[in-house]
Amino acid sequence: ETGVTQTPRHLVMGMTNKKSLKCEQHLGHNAMYWYKQSAKKPLELMFVYSLEERVENNSVPSRFSPECPNSSHLFLHLHTLQPEDSALYLCASSQERGAGYGYTFGSGTRLTVV
Amino acid sequence: SQQGEEDPQALSIQEGENATMNCSYKTSINNLQWYRQNSGRGLVHLILIRSNEREKHSGRLRVTLDTSKKSSSLLITASRAADTASYFCATVYGAAGNKLTFGGGTRVLVKP
Repeated sequence: ETGVTQTPRHLVMGMTNKKSLKCEQHLGHNAMYWYKQSAKKPLELMFVYSLEERVENNSVPSRFSPECPNSSHLFLHLHTLQPEDSALYLCASSQERGAGYGYTFGSGTRLTVV
Repeated sequence: SQQGEEDPQALSIQEGENATMNCSYKTSINNLQWYRQNSGRGLVHLILIRSNEREKHSGRLRVTLDTSKKSSSLLITASRAADTASYFCATVYGAAGNKLTFGGGTRVLVKP
């Protein structure tokens, strides 16, 4: 375990479903991130939270809705997804936002949209 | 556009051999980081090299950075089957020095 825990590990959902991905860290980090990893594509930064405030949203469709209720928890709420949204969703945290510190990643949620 | 690009995309070597992969980037960076990802799992931070550093070591890993060529290399010495994974470079750039952007990765297969 890296200290960043993601649940569930696997998720299959229909296009009309609503589901949420959860990420939890107890490393004392104050920045958290959502990344999307699709086959044959580089990791795509989706959202950045610093001190529980969303500081970046990289043109992500509104069917993805992040939530950061406190510095230890990060959610990604999903609704009316498309099959092309199937991917590995990775959560990461860092001591500061980017800068001179490495990121600690969770093991990811493998999402399949049917 | 993609900040870092790794080369080669795939690498197959025998156990005990060295593995070298390269990363090129486009804009000035604050630091460059290398990560490893085992199949379908999260990324593990390996090493960070700052823009004013030229070489760094960590165990069997050696990273170099050439800012004039905007490139970095990761060398894994005396490879083991457990080193089989994808390796990604990630660059930190931007005025605030807080954007981390990943390349497409190099898939390394170490055959026993």
